Amino acid sequence: NAGVTQTPKFRILKIGQSMTLQCTQDMNHNYMYWYRQDPGMGLKLIYYSVGAGITDKGEVPNGYNVSRSTTEDFPLRLELAAPSQTSVYFCASSSPVGLNTEAFFGQGTRLTVV
Amino acid sequence: SQKIEQNSEALNIQEGKTATLTCNYTNYSPAYLQWYRQDPGRGPVFLLLIRENEKEKRKERLKVTFDTTLKQSLFHITASQPADSATYLCALGDDKIIFGKGTRLHILP
Repeated sequence: NAGVTQTPKFRILKIGQSMTLQCTQDMNHNYMYWYRQDPGMGLKLIYYSVGAGITDKGEVPNGYNVSRSTTEDFPLRLELAAPSQTSVYFCASSSPVGLNTEAFFGQGTRLTVV
Repeated sequence: SQKIEQNSEALNIQEGKTATLTCNYTNYSPAYLQWYRQDPGRGPVFLLLIRENEKEKRKERLKVTFDTTLKQSLFHITASQPADSATYLCALGDDKIIFGKGTRLHILP
């Protein structure tokens, strides 16, 4: 079972560059999330989606964009990368069967902006 | 705005004792609360979920309580082992899931 797959695992970006973090899940989950985690800190919600075609801002959306064209994929776009976006990014998904269910996480993408 | 606080950044517990972690929240009336475990370099892994109408939930050596009046959850690990050493995260949500900062738990042999 693949679960939630994130690519790439590591990336170094220069200031001002753009990139897309990929996230795919094969569990037919309607809900998907993007978080960032800074060293020694908890997870901050960037964007989330409750289904294909629907996205909403989380706690720290500035500097990021998302799209949800399919149930499986939820890419995160960074435009004009800044050093403050250096972080570990986690994608997660949760079950379509009602609300209030556990989230499954990917292995994370470690991003450094220099 | 919604706020989740996990009172201890780090907690040292002797092996075999019970570890108790605290999660408090404000400006929120969640329908449920979750606890996750995170090991270094890995994504969080779900442990337990407790709903607003449940006072207590157990799973093996884990126990979670949920007091919606106090806006607090307690997470207990009984007969703690060094392998329980990790960061434990509290999470609240409905459509979106919001996490606390976590508590780093060290079980000392």
